[in-house]
Amino acid sequence: QSALTQPRSVSGSPGQSVTISCTGTRSDVGNYNYVSWYQQHPGKAPKLMIYDVTKRPSGVPDRFSGSKSGNTASLTISGLQAEDEADYFCCSYAGTYTFVFGGGTKLTVL
Amino acid sequence: EVQLVESGGGLVQPGGSLRLSCAASGFTFSSYWMSWVRQAPGKGLEWVANINQDGREKYSVDSVKGRFTISRDNAKNSLFLQMNSLRAEDTAVYYCARAVGTTEFDYWGQGTLVTVSS
Repeated sequence: QSALTQPRSVSGSPGQSVTISCTGTRSDVGNYNYVSWYQQHPGKAPKLMIYDVTKRPSGVPDRFSGSKSGNTASLTISGLQAEDEADYFCCSYAGTYTFVFGGGTKLTVL
Repeated sequence: EVQLVESGGGLVQPGGSLRLSCAASGFTFSSYWMSWVRQAPGKGLEWVANINQDGREKYSVDSVKGRFTISRDNAKNSLFLQMNSLRAEDTAVYYCARAVGTTEFDYWGQGTLVTVSS
């Protein structure tokens, strides 16, 4: 049950696109299409942004998109806005009703 | 509106016990898996435990096995986490989250802080 690997930080200017990677193993990310992404602003609860690798919950802007290749999932945010500045965490189903999260990535909007 | 409200956190000495509660409203509580997820200060999220709709299936991360017990009371729309033999490394904000089966956590509470220190 090792944590998924994410870059500690990424940054981009308003209007640009950024991609956050999330690397796991064949036991989690590589074996299931159950990767989700969460946005967390300081002092707030996490918010679901992407589930089942590519799906967006109602109310999440289509600027947010997800993908997966092999053992690595990615979250792409296009048309960056100031309010996107937050921490982002990936999560994968790891079998037998267990889950593993990534260490988190701090997104800075320059 | 879905609401999850945690309570029961606080300061406890190493080796001590604490029971967290989560009051759920705005949805049919008995129809969902529920989970606890924690976040140590300045750190990432860590899935702790989850429980199925009728409380018969329970799963937890290895680091809390034998010490933490998740349970639920569907009549009271409540989720619990009994934490025994607490360690300094259990210090974290504990979130209650609604789990959609094996896929994601779609609603989260605001969290309750547990501090294990002498």
